Amino acid sequence: GAVVSQHPSWVICKSGTSVKIECRSLDFQATTMFWYRQFPKQSLMLMATSNEGSKATYEQGVEKDKFLINHASLTLSTLTVTSAHPEDSSFYICSARRPQSYNEQFFGPGTRLTVL
Amino acid sequence: SQQGEEDPQALSIQEGENATMNCSYKTSINNLQWYRQNSGRGLVHLILIRSNEREKHSGRLRVTLDTSKKSSSLLITASRAADTASYFCAGNNAGNMLTFGGGTRLMVKP
Repeated sequence: GAVVSQHPSWVICKSGTSVKIECRSLDFQATTMFWYRQFPKQSLMLMATSNEGSKATYEQGVEKDKFLINHASLTLSTLTVTSAHPEDSSFYICSARRPQSYNEQFFGPGTRLTVL
Repeated sequence: SQQGEEDPQALSIQEGENATMNCSYKTSINNLQWYRQNSGRGLVHLILIRSNEREKHSGRLRVTLDTSKKSSSLLITASRAADTASYFCAGNNAGNMLTFGGGTRLMVKP
């Protein structure tokens, strides 16, 4: 199956720090990637849709200046949490959609962000 | 808002028993997908059922879909301790966006 990686897998930072999370599709080109956020024991909430070469589409309630998304290539999307606060602590998961498999999303292993 | 709502939220069974999880959704879907997530890990795609399908099997998994009731069920037969995980349904709408339900936390005791 298609492989999606995320880096880092876990990051701990101080309040006010900006943190960049990378999502890579390793064996396919992904024109569309998605970023989700998951709080403990809760479900995934879609934050934004990242399209290669264009601006991301953010879900209602997600601050685009807070969560910067860049999808500069067909294999890489980045999510930058700017000026992180403790309430930004969460599990961030990306997924990538392969053009040949329009209905399927392949998920990365997730990045756990802890903001002190 | 979440597309699907899982029932039950938590389920504890003995190894060898069957586990049934239900999911309801609100809006129209093209297909419904079930995912598994081990604690603190990413999601693993289990099975996809299209809106024109009523039942689908994959190994020990059986999924049903009732579009008139906007509900789906996931049955895991002959459960194993390794099946312990959270299970999510996700509705895929016309825009090919996945919206996840709340999840069922399954515990299979050896």
